Amino acid sequence: DTGVSQDPRHKITKRGQNVTFRCDPISEHNRLYWYRQTLGQGPEFLTYFQNEAQLEKSRLLSDRFSAERPKGSFSTLEIQRTEQGDSAMYLCASSLSESSTDTQYFGPGTRLTVL
Amino acid sequence: AQSVTQLGSHVSVSEGALVLLRCNYSSSVPPYLFWYVQYPNQGLQLLLKYTSAATLVKGINGFEAEFKKSETSFHLTKPSAHMRDAAEYFCAVSGNAGKSTFGDGTTLTVKP
Repeated sequence: DTGVSQDPRHKITKRGQNVTFRCDPISEHNRLYWYRQTLGQGPEFLTYFQNEAQLEKSRLLSDRFSAERPKGSFSTLEIQRTEQGDSAMYLCASSLSESSTDTQYFGPGTRLTVL
Repeated sequence: AQSVTQLGSHVSVSEGALVLLRCNYSSSVPPYLFWYVQYPNQGLQLLLKYTSAATLVKGINGFEAEFKKSETSFHLTKPSAHMRDAAEYFCAVSGNAGKSTFGDGTTLTVKP
């Protein structure tokens, strides 16, 4: 069990550029979540997957954001035409099942800075 | 709908003193409640969780929390603070589908 990994750990980009982040969950974890955390706030839910199916998207996830989990394993989160307001820590978490009591294991996050 | 309020964005205690971090929740369904700790530049680590079994929940690193339905609270305590406890702490509530709603966090400072 190597834990949840995220790549890259840091990303600096210019406004208007596209960025893509990757999350590798704990193997055999069916659930995968994306959260966004801005300075001084707790993580905010963005979206989640049950295997390869994206089951819910937050209102925070504008049409510039897209997430995929094509084979039910790793997931990518893409932000198109980045804006300065997108600067945040993007956290990925995975859990074994869909139970609300299951522990979510978090990755170290990808810190995005949009200049 | 669910929400979490953490009272006090910063708490400072002396080493060896009691730690009390406050969390109140709102949930339209029976809640599952969690406390996480986050060290700088790291992800969140689960300290403990309440899943409708015992109301007093013991977690890692000597922390515990008590679920009080009448007060809609889930405060986190530790009898004696250590320097290594300095971090940011998040309370979260989970309802349907496992997605969690987090509070804004409390930064714990431990003074020598």
